[in-house]
Amino acid sequence: ETGVTQSPTHLIKTRGQQVTLRCSSQSGHNTVSWYQQALGQGPQFIFQYYREEENGRGNFPPRFSGLQFPNYSSELNVNALELDDSALYLCASSPGTSGTRGETQYFGPGTRLLVL
Amino acid sequence: GQQLNQSPQSMFIQEGEDVSMNCTSSSIFNTWLWYKQDPGEGPVLLIALYKAGELTSNGRLTAQFGITRKDSFLNISASIPSDVGIYFCAGSARRSQGNLIFGKGTKLSVKP
Repeated sequence: ETGVTQSPTHLIKTRGQQVTLRCSSQSGHNTVSWYQQALGQGPQFIFQYYREEENGRGNFPPRFSGLQFPNYSSELNVNALELDDSALYLCASSPGTSGTRGETQYFGPGTRLLVL
Repeated sequence: GQQLNQSPQSMFIQEGEDVSMNCTSSSIFNTWLWYKQDPGEGPVLLIALYKAGELTSNGRLTAQFGITRKDSFLNISASIPSDVGIYFCAGSARRSQGNLIFGKGTKLSVKP
């Protein structure tokens, strides 16, 4: 069974640029969630995708957008990067909304983004 | 954003000692999860709790879902050096929408 994978592992961008981060969900999982983790903090929920539709969004501006593909992999896009966007971006997959354990989320290793 | 109250913030203990940490929330959760995160890596799921009062073990780790559904604790017995890391609690309020709310973490250091 393949776990959650993310690419790239590290990325350096300058303010104002755009970035795309990618995530492949764990085998059998149809739900993908994205989180931002600043240094010394717990992860903060950005949004979740279930069967290619957005299924909830946290308190992040519209320049954070996402996609989910038919194979359940996902992308996180951030436009007009700001210095405060520097963080570890985590992707998590879960079995989905079927059953009471659908929300149990398994995380990938993350993408470390540095905005200069 | 919203976060859980997790304590203690950090612990420095001797190898072999038992460890206890907890999380409290002002609102009810349907699911409590405990994760461990090593530097530069993603959180790894340790224990998942789905029912109020549930007590679950995973090796030397034991966690409980509080009866009020507003708290949870994690115990580690006979700590070893590889237990070092940051432990996060996370809660989910809605079964059909699994956005997790995280605590700020408990940093555990173990002295051999």
